[in-house]
Amino acid sequence: DAGVIQSPRHEVTEMGQEVTLRCKPISGHNSLFWYRQTMMRGLELLIYFNNNVPIDDSGMPEDRFSAKMPNASFSTLKIQPSEPRDSAVYFCAILLGEKLFFGSGTQLSVL
Amino acid sequence: DAKTTQPTSMDCAEGRAANLPCNHSTISGNEYVYWYRQIHSQGPQYIIHGLKNNETNEMASLIITEDRKSSTLILPHATLRDTAVYYCIVRPYNAGNMLTFGGGTRLMVKP
Repeated sequence: DAGVIQSPRHEVTEMGQEVTLRCKPISGHNSLFWYRQTMMRGLELLIYFNNNVPIDDSGMPEDRFSAKMPNASFSTLKIQPSEPRDSAVYFCAILLGEKLFFGSGTQLSVL
Repeated sequence: DAKTTQPTSMDCAEGRAANLPCNHSTISGNEYVYWYRQIHSQGPQYIIHGLKNNETNEMASLIITEDRKSSTLILPHATLRDTAVYYCIVRPYNAGNMLTFGGGTRLMVKP
């Protein structure tokens, strides 16, 4: 969706490396969500922000995962150190009214 | 979010109506029914939502039973491009609440 830009589109890295996923949403939203999708576990909510403040990070799998939202136009999801089991598609989404708009996702492969 | 139950997969002939059911027997009075779909390699896309009245838009129709314990998403004339995973979700009408996805129904539209 043109309203949520994610980068990179694909990321291949080696185990142990730091990975930073980026999300640039359009303005007008109050809430931003990070999801992870795998074949085994489906679409999982990792964390969401309201007005740039993290509200619920109970879905973040481990301390290796962290997310920030310094302003309404930018958010990052960082994995440090990365592991092969982190391989997945990571989606950023925003809530506009009652509709969620998703980005195209970042496909992460950790070798 | 209240739990929903959907069939794992369904087939539909191209040009025919696709009727996707969803059970949400524990839905609360303030919870809406939302439908999203995810086409392969894309982020989920909003389709429609409703509270208790039937709803229709350019994409689909939503039929909610009188007791609100189940609903049906109707694609009136399915095309091959409607092949996707369809998610039924219930949540309060309250911007900022986290929105969780279940397994969804994998709809295959066949020529």
